[in-house]
Amino acid sequence: NAGVMQNPRHLVRRRGQEARLRCSPMKGHSHVYWYRQLPEEGLKFMVYLQKENIIDESGMPKERFSAEFPKEGPSILRIQQVVRGDSAAYFCASSPPSGLDYNEQFFGPGTRLTVL
Amino acid sequence: KNQVEQSPQSLIILEGKNCTLQCNYTVSPFSNLRWYKQDTGRGPVSLTIMTFSENTKSNGRYTATLDADTKQSSLHITASQLSDSASYICVVSARGSTLGRLYFGRGTQLTVWP
Repeated sequence: NAGVMQNPRHLVRRRGQEARLRCSPMKGHSHVYWYRQLPEEGLKFMVYLQKENIIDESGMPKERFSAEFPKEGPSILRIQQVVRGDSAAYFCASSPPSGLDYNEQFFGPGTRLTVL
Repeated sequence: KNQVEQSPQSLIILEGKNCTLQCNYTVSPFSNLRWYKQDTGRGPVSLTIMTFSENTKSNGRYTATLDADTKQSSLHITASQLSDSASYICVVSARGSTLGRLYFGRGTQLTVWP
C-alpha cells in the first residue's frame, strides 16, 4: 500500500504563472487535507476535501487559490498568478473515511514551490 | 485563539543522551494531541496520538506525556541516535472537529551529534 503521493516534488514558476500541485491519497482514503509550510514556520491548514466536495476551505486565501478532489484522479491544489510570497512547501495528508476528529492523517513528502 | 507553542526552538545533544521537548497549547475544546517527526525535506510522520484521558504513551524510545489540566505535553527521547535528528512537531485537534482541522506548533529542531 503506497503512501500519500505528491508531485511534482519541486516546482519552479515565474511570477504570474500558474502552479498545479497534485496529491494522490493512500488507497482507501477519501479525505484529503492541504497544508502550507513557510520557511521557519509551522504547517498551516489550508483546505479539507472529500471526494467531489470541499468541506472546509477557511485556511485558503480567497483569491488565486483553489482546490479540488474529483471522483477519479488526484486532488489538485491550483495557484493562479503566483507571487514570491507563495514560495513554500505544500503538504497533502489523507485519512480514512471514519468522520472522526481522531483520524490519523498520513502526510505526503510535499511539493516545494519556488517563485522566481 | 487556538495556538500551539513549543520549546525549545532548537536543541543539540550528544548521541546516547536523553532529551525532553515541551508543548503548550490553548486549543479548546481539546480532543487529542499528536507528536510528529519531520525529517528535512520530508512530510511529517506520526509518533504518538493521545486523547484527554491518556497521560502517557510510548513508541519505542519515544514517550509522550499529557497534562490536560495544564494544557501541556512533553516528548521524551531516550538513548538518542543520529537518526533522531529532525524537527518534532506538536499538533492539537479540537473536540467536535469533524472538519479535520489540526493546529501545528512550529516544531523543535533536534540535532544529535556523534
